[in-house]
Amino acid sequence: DTEVTQTPKHLVMGMTNKKSLKCEQHMGHRAMYWYKQKAKKPPELMFVYSYEKLSINESVPSRFSPECPNSSLLNLHLHALQPEDSALYLCASSQDGFEAGGHSYGYTFGSGTRLTVV
Amino acid sequence: AQSVTQLGSHVSVSEGALVLLRCNYSSSVPPYLFWYVQYPNQGLQLLLKYTTGATLVKGINGFEAEFKKSETSFHLTKPSAHMSDAAEYFCAVSPSMEYGNKLVFGAGTILRVKS
Repeated sequence: DTEVTQTPKHLVMGMTNKKSLKCEQHMGHRAMYWYKQKAKKPPELMFVYSYEKLSINESVPSRFSPECPNSSLLNLHLHALQPEDSALYLCASSQDGFEAGGHSYGYTFGSGTRLTVV
Repeated sequence: AQSVTQLGSHVSVSEGALVLLRCNYSSSVPPYLFWYVQYPNQGLQLLLKYTTGATLVKGINGFEAEFKKSETSFHLTKPSAHMSDAAEYFCAVSPSMEYGNKLVFGAGTILRVKS
């Protein structure tokens, strides 16, 4: 298995809803990432988990809450989002731990979740 | 200071013509360099990477890139464009002095292929 699987592919939620995005990889990768991508922009890093521990939080608002239940799974819990949070949310993983550089093999990205907040 | 600069937000080529997408980086340490491709409403797919060794790197779909340390460049080329190459391309670098171990992306270049 050489993929990162993200579910759901599309999500529409109201500003008072609570929802979760899920990301799964079975490649034995040690670091997992959440990115946010707005239209015609590069991905912006949100969170990094390395060896199942949160390594980086890029000053993301608390309405986004990451969770790494095990080495294969990464969740992003969403609550009280704003319309400006509408974007493509990408999950990625890398073979090495983040602190070791993490990138010598490149990142594997999922196909993303297209989130629309109404 | 920006770590990755992609020259040209849009590049248009005719089918069968040479594709050249430019990327310059700034890094105080020997970097890892990457090119990713993104098709509409999809995630990013790794095209190729330079870590160490041979400076001419071959990737998927007929793309290649050359690491030129003296020019701090990692331009992406393909001898003959195909309609299916139309996508957005991102150059990325890690590590960098400003951003530590983070993978830093350029702004992206949208490639259009004309028939």
